[in-house]
Amino acid sequence: AQKVTQAQTEISVVEKEDVTLDCVYETRDTTYYLFWYKQPPSGELVFLIRRNSFDEQNEISGRYSWNFQKSTSSFNFTITASQVVDSAVYFCALSPRNTGFQKLVFGTGTRLLVSP
Amino acid sequence: EPEVTQTPSHQVTQMGQEVILRCVPISNHLYFYWYRQILGQKVEFLVSFYNNEISEKSEIFDDQFSVERPDGSNFTLKIRSTKLEDSAMYFCASSAGTSAYEQYFGPGTRLTVT
Repeated sequence: AQKVTQAQTEISVVEKEDVTLDCVYETRDTTYYLFWYKQPPSGELVFLIRRNSFDEQNEISGRYSWNFQKSTSSFNFTITASQVVDSAVYFCALSPRNTGFQKLVFGTGTRLLVSP
Repeated sequence: EPEVTQTPSHQVTQMGQEVILRCVPISNHLYFYWYRQILGQKVEFLVSFYNNEISEKSEIFDDQFSVERPDGSNFTLKIRSTKLEDSAMYFCASSAGTSAYEQYFGPGTRLTVT
């Protein structure tokens, strides 16, 4: 079975604080992809990052960074110096090989509120 | 930048009625998907479509649902006889391939069944 757990339902921070969103996944596949999507208040789903199961290098893109640790089945997302525009729901998702990578299994999302 | 579009943005229908949700995927993409998100909950996979047939579907996608690519640009989701519990945001997505390709999502259609 495949499952994604985002234990943090909601996080509130003040602008300029750093914040880490946790994601833990379960799959029996050895080959899979992990994703983060952002859902701003307008409702659309915005792709942020894709990582395959063989690439454990951390990635940084501007204020965003991702930490993939296969040993703990985690793919955490950190926003450095948060801004009000970062306020959104963030979803972690898993795409396992046994579905031909055609299906995204989403977590329940973490709502991030950044106040000025 | 190419994007996935969906119409209508909001559809209100009465229980038992048929609805068709429309999507125009990104033009050179080959894989098409429907997901739904019940208000405040997680996004759930419904179906994937490739080469004019369903390639994967979830247990949610029962006989009430069908998908079609009626021409070279549109991708539709039909719900034959809507139920109250079908009320949700429906997202269409497309990708150039699987594995190494991300799915790009449309803005969604909010379906309200009364």
